[in-house]
Amino acid sequence: TQLLEQSPQFLSIQEGENLTVYCNSSSVFSSLQWYRQEPGEGPVLLVTVVTGGEVKKLKRLTFQFGDARKDSSLHITAAQPGDTGLYLCAGGGYALNFGKGTSLLVTP
Amino acid sequence: DAGVIQSPRHEVTEMGQEVTLRCKPISGHNSLFWYRQTMMRGLELLIYFNNNVPIDDSGMPEDRFSAKMPNASFSTLKIQPSEPRDSAVYFCASSLATGGYEQYFGPGTRLTVT
Repeated sequence: TQLLEQSPQFLSIQEGENLTVYCNSSSVFSSLQWYRQEPGEGPVLLVTVVTGGEVKKLKRLTFQFGDARKDSSLHITAAQPGDTGLYLCAGGGYALNFGKGTSLLVTP
Repeated sequence: DAGVIQSPRHEVTEMGQEVTLRCKPISGHNSLFWYRQTMMRGLELLIYFNNNVPIDDSGMPEDRFSAKMPNASFSTLKIQPSEPRDSAVYFCASSLATGGYEQYFGPGTRLTVT
């Protein structure tokens, strides 16, 4: 099983601040995915990164895949309360392994 | 298009009772996954099917758990007998095997075993 470690586990910030969350592994992944899960809902896919060094942007969210394809980061610029949720990274191809997630709270 | 549908959304049962969770995947998707989520262990893959055939059930915790997919539009996860440690949120997800591994999750079933 390819383990994914996410940090920090919890993050509480104020609206307007920037933040970065991390997803690390000792294994190489062919691709990594980021999901966001809101309370009472299932995870929703945000992005898939497949190439080492790849950077993808989704509005205020920037995703980066490490050159060695063992790690990834998610940076949020000017966080808003609507960004609140659990951010999960996942990899492993067809049968995904999920990290335990970073729980983000953005207060007004 | 409707997303993945799960029922019931909430289930409260007593220890020893049989529990059946249901899932309808997105039409046209040929892969279906069952997950369990807890605070302690996060999101764990229990079993997945491809074209209605179970491919990997190594995540199923023990013989009390069983899953079936009798056709492309329906799957069940059964726990018999249930135990308090089975309390968790159970998710079903589906995907198109020829795609980029993106999975689409249902809203989950919150199971409480007392």
